[in-house]
Amino acid sequence: GENVEQHPSTLSVQEGDSAVIKCTYSDSASNYFPWYKQELGKGPQLIIDIRSNVGEKKDQRIAVTLNKTAKHFSLHITETQPEDSAVYFCAASQEGSQGNLIFGKGTKLSVKP
Amino acid sequence: GAGVSQSPRYKVTKRGQDVALRCDPISGHVSLYWYRQALGQGPEFLTYFNYEAQQDKSGLPNDRFSAERPEGSISTLTIQRTEQRDSAMYRCASSFLAGGRGDTQYFGPGTRLTVL
Repeated sequence: GENVEQHPSTLSVQEGDSAVIKCTYSDSASNYFPWYKQELGKGPQLIIDIRSNVGEKKDQRIAVTLNKTAKHFSLHITETQPEDSAVYFCAASQEGSQGNLIFGKGTKLSVKP
Repeated sequence: GAGVSQSPRYKVTKRGQDVALRCDPISGHVSLYWYRQALGQGPEFLTYFNYEAQQDKSGLPNDRFSAERPEGSISTLTIQRTEQRDSAMYRCASSFLAGGRGDTQYFGPGTRLTVL
């Protein structure tokens, strides 16, 4: 089955700097890759997703890139702000299959003011 | 409207007792998923439903775990004869489209289960 690896497990940046989180997946049939942000005491919330027919997607300060050949995808946050501090999870699934998400172990991002 | 809700938010039980965890998905959402999240880990798939039909229960750890969604809306995850290793955050998610369409899954706040 699918396995998703996520790095780093913790990331500390200065406010205004960029943050990059990387994930790799094992199943070449996976074609849907969402990123979730989880704040303390809350459930994961989708922040951006990408499908395998595109290589990059951007939404304001957040972007995701996908390399299907290498089977890895990355989350990029620019101009980080303290409110970006949270745990971020990448996930993978097969659109057309049952749709359950396989999650990475998460990255705890701390943005220092 | 309201997001996904789960109850209770916290459940403390003694080993050997049965527990029932409830999920109320977003109104009109077809698919409902159950995940379990250990501390410091990502959510791990347990089972999912399209409408009232349980489509996949391959993630349920053993036969003490069961789930139902009899009317295609509210779902209950039941754990019988609880064990300490069952302690975790149990999360429910729902999506508008049937599972497999790559649709956004909206997560609830979770039920923190502690088995003493």
